[in-house]
Amino acid sequence: ELKVEQNPLFLSMQEGKNYTIYCNYSTTSDRLYWYRQDPGKSLESLFVLLSNGAVKQEGRLMASLDTKARLSTLHITAAVHDLSATYFCAVDRAQKLVFGQGTRLTINP
Amino acid sequence: DAGITQSPRHKVTETGTPVTLRCHQTENHRYMYWYRQDPGHGLRLIHYSYGVKDTDKGEVSDGYSVSRSKTEDFLLTLESATSSQTSVYFCAISATPGQAIHMNTEAFFGQGTRLTVV
Repeated sequence: ELKVEQNPLFLSMQEGKNYTIYCNYSTTSDRLYWYRQDPGKSLESLFVLLSNGAVKQEGRLMASLDTKARLSTLHITAAVHDLSATYFCAVDRAQKLVFGQGTRLTINP
Repeated sequence: DAGITQSPRHKVTETGTPVTLRCHQTENHRYMYWYRQDPGHGLRLIHYSYGVKDTDKGEVSDGYSVSRSKTEDFLLTLESATSSQTSVYFCAISATPGQAIHMNTEAFFGQGTRLTVV
């Protein structure tokens, strides 16, 4: 059974700082997705990582995938308040996505 | 935004009553999914469909049934609602027409339905 674990689950940080969210998964997969969710809203697709070593960047967010370690990271550079949200990673299993628990990120001025 | 519409957006119902949630897409995507979201659990798959009349169970399917009679509609039914089914339900779609299904399973989500069972 595929299990996906994120850490930390809660993260409070100051504007301007850097931090990383980790996503570990238990069985082989070479497709991983990152989503963002604002309170009371739907999920917004951020990154699609489709191969080992894949790296994607959008603004202050950068995601990477190491399929051998079964690990993906979401790195936040010089955080700003607008990035406050809950971030989910999801791993493909036979055309279905298995989600991590989510990381609630709060960025304080 | 992907053309996904969920209805209703909010519903309060009594324990023991049947409830049907609807997901409608305008994208002609092959795959449709129902997830539930609960604090501390992320999103968990209830049922999914890989074509008209082709459905299968997810990890939390007990107490739920689904139907897909048309490409664009995927219905989730709670046969007899219980308080443990109070949750936010999300519909998702994936796989664009003509795209090899092994290439990308990126899912696009509807706005969600908040269901309260009292």
